[in-house]
Amino acid sequence: QITLKEPGPTLVKPTQTLTLTCTFSGFSLSSSGVGVGWIRQPPGRALELVALIYWDDDVRYSPTLKSRLTITKDTSKNQVVLTMTNMDPLDTGTYYCVHRRVSPASWFDPWGQGTLVTVSS
Amino acid sequence: NFILTQPHSVSESPGKTVTISCTRSSGNIASNYVQWYQQRPGSAPTTVIYEDNRRPSGVPDRFSGSIDSSSNSASLTISGLRTEDEADYYCQSYDTTTQVFGGGTKLTVL
Repeated sequence: QITLKEPGPTLVKPTQTLTLTCTFSGFSLSSSGVGVGWIRQPPGRALELVALIYWDDDVRYSPTLKSRLTITKDTSKNQVVLTMTNMDPLDTGTYYCVHRRVSPASWFDPWGQGTLVTVSS
Repeated sequence: NFILTQPHSVSESPGKTVTISCTRSSGNIASNYVQWYQQRPGSAPTTVIYEDNRRPSGVPDRFSGSIDSSSNSASLTISGLRTEDEADYYCQSYDTTTQVFGGGTKLTVL
């Protein structure tokens, strides 16, 4: 059974750096085709892929957020870490850690429960 | 890059059938698989359709997906509507460089 877990709610001040660690189980991020990503959802709004890292260290970032993002993996610890700099109140929302399925398609399943990130002074 | 456009909301009565569309702005809808996610209030999304028309284990066959190249769109159809189907539904697809979600459709089962 694949599970992914995000940390508890986070409050950061504007301009600060956010660091989120996803801890997963039930699969290996060294297996071909596998990926782990972060998808966010501002309150009442749609889903947006923030960052994705693949088994081979290839990474994908949201084009609008790319300059602020770093995603890394620690295969031995089964963890993926997202760092987002220069946080803004518009970054407030729920951040989900997701498993990228290995299939002909590129899709996300399952999702973690999500963690609320609030950016406020 | 491309955009996936969904209707903001749809509503229908219990027992009826509803279809939610997802139109791709550029590039062929059939070139990359489309997925559909259901998100109930306060919960994380779950997959109801993947690879255009396949259902994960545990998803009832009341849910079906299709692709229409003539309109460059994908559709999610839910038949025999139940109150528990009331949720937000998101389509998702990709190309070689990016993953894209639609804006979401709020389904109300009256």
